[in-house]
Amino acid sequence: EDKVVQSPLSLVVHEGDTVTLNCSYEVTNFRSLLWYKQEKKAPTFLFMLTSSGIEKKSGRLSSILDKKELFSILNITATQTGDSAVYLCAGTNFGNEKLTFGTGTRLTIIP
Amino acid sequence: DSGVTQTPKHLITATGQRVTLRCSPRSGDLSVYWYQQSLDQGLQFLIQYYNGEERAKGNILERFSAQQFPDLHSELNLSSLELGDSALYFCASSQGHSNYEQYFGPGTRLTVT
Repeated sequence: EDKVVQSPLSLVVHEGDTVTLNCSYEVTNFRSLLWYKQEKKAPTFLFMLTSSGIEKKSGRLSSILDKKELFSILNITATQTGDSAVYLCAGTNFGNEKLTFGTGTRLTIIP
Repeated sequence: DSGVTQTPKHLITATGQRVTLRCSPRSGDLSVYWYQQSLDQGLQFLIQYYNGEERAKGNILERFSAQQFPDLHSELNLSSLELGDSALYFCASSQGHSNYEQYFGPGTRLTVT
């Protein structure tokens, strides 16, 4: 069975700090790794990673995938209170098209 | 606002009942995905439809069924409801059928009493 594990489960930092969130996966016929941010309600899409070693960047957020070691990291620099959310990663595979989500990392930014 | 709409926002019903959740995808998106999110289980993929056809099935119970209509809106039917079915049900849509960027609706919170 496919499995995605995120760590840490919860993280509390001060505004301005840099954080790294981890996502490891065991997905058969792996296709891509997706990152989402979930605040109060619906997850919002952040990144889709398919190739190893290529960093994707959007403002203060960046992410990279390591297909050899089967993990991805999400970095957030100069954190702001608006970054407080649950960050979800999901693995996708070829063939049956389903997403397998991790349970998320709850990030809290203290002003 | 993702462009995906879901109705109703909240639903409270009794055990044994049947409910229908509705989702309208973003304009131009052909794929609709349904997810269940409960506190103890995280986000679970239920089922995907692409252009009216079932494309992928996840952890969907036999008591649940879904369909996608010609206008691409989708309905998720939950029957013989149990207390454990209480959860947030999300719909997401994407352009293609292969797990591309998915845009989530606001969710329907179902409470079974």
